[in-house]
Amino acid sequence: DADVTQTPRNRITKTGKRIMLECSQTKGHDRMYWYRQDPGLGLRLIYYSFDVKDINKGEISDGYSVSRQAQAKFSLSLESAIPNQTALYFCATSEAAAVKQYFGPGTRLTVL
Amino acid sequence: EDQVTQSPEALRLQEGESSSLNCSYTVSGLRGLFWYRQDPGKGPEFLFTLYSAGEEKEKERLKATLTKKESFLHITAPKPEDSATYLCAVNQAGTALIFGKGTTLSVSS
Repeated sequence: DADVTQTPRNRITKTGKRIMLECSQTKGHDRMYWYRQDPGLGLRLIYYSFDVKDINKGEISDGYSVSRQAQAKFSLSLESAIPNQTALYFCATSEAAAVKQYFGPGTRLTVL
Repeated sequence: EDQVTQSPEALRLQEGESSSLNCSYTVSGLRGLFWYRQDPGKGPEFLFTLYSAGEEKEKERLKATLTKKESFLHITAPKPEDSATYLCAVNQAGTALIFGKGTTLSVSS
């Protein structure tokens, strides 16, 4: 079984809809991250969490919110989706600072 | 402003034709430089971490090196299965990673 899982893997939605992307991990890591990837722009950090009570904004947090329900679960919400949020979204985890991050398989989100 | 720049954006090689990918960075307080491989539609897969200038890491046909301003990913005698996008990232003061835009490598037989 994969260490970092993301659901759904693909989602098509309409402008204005609320969307939640979920991430679960079995690695026992405290640190979790959400990135988005756009062609030509690379991976950009949306939010990160160092533990259940610690949530931090990343480079591009506007229009997004997160919830850390447990050590193993970190959800990303789009309160009112817009077309320029169409992208590939990745969740990642790490054991500590300055060490490698483990990425999930990604969620492809299309906002019409 | 912290930045990571990868070059070239795309690289086409013949099987067996060795080459290098470049990652230059400007970041205060580097706490690790990371190389990842990403196949289309999949999540990045970790390759190497380098922490100090002069450090080198090897894995099969790949070798990563680090100086104070840049890192190279050397690919020796590549095979078609090495085709992928290679991402470089730096750790920003122990918080999260700053990624470059990647180099897309295509190896033809």
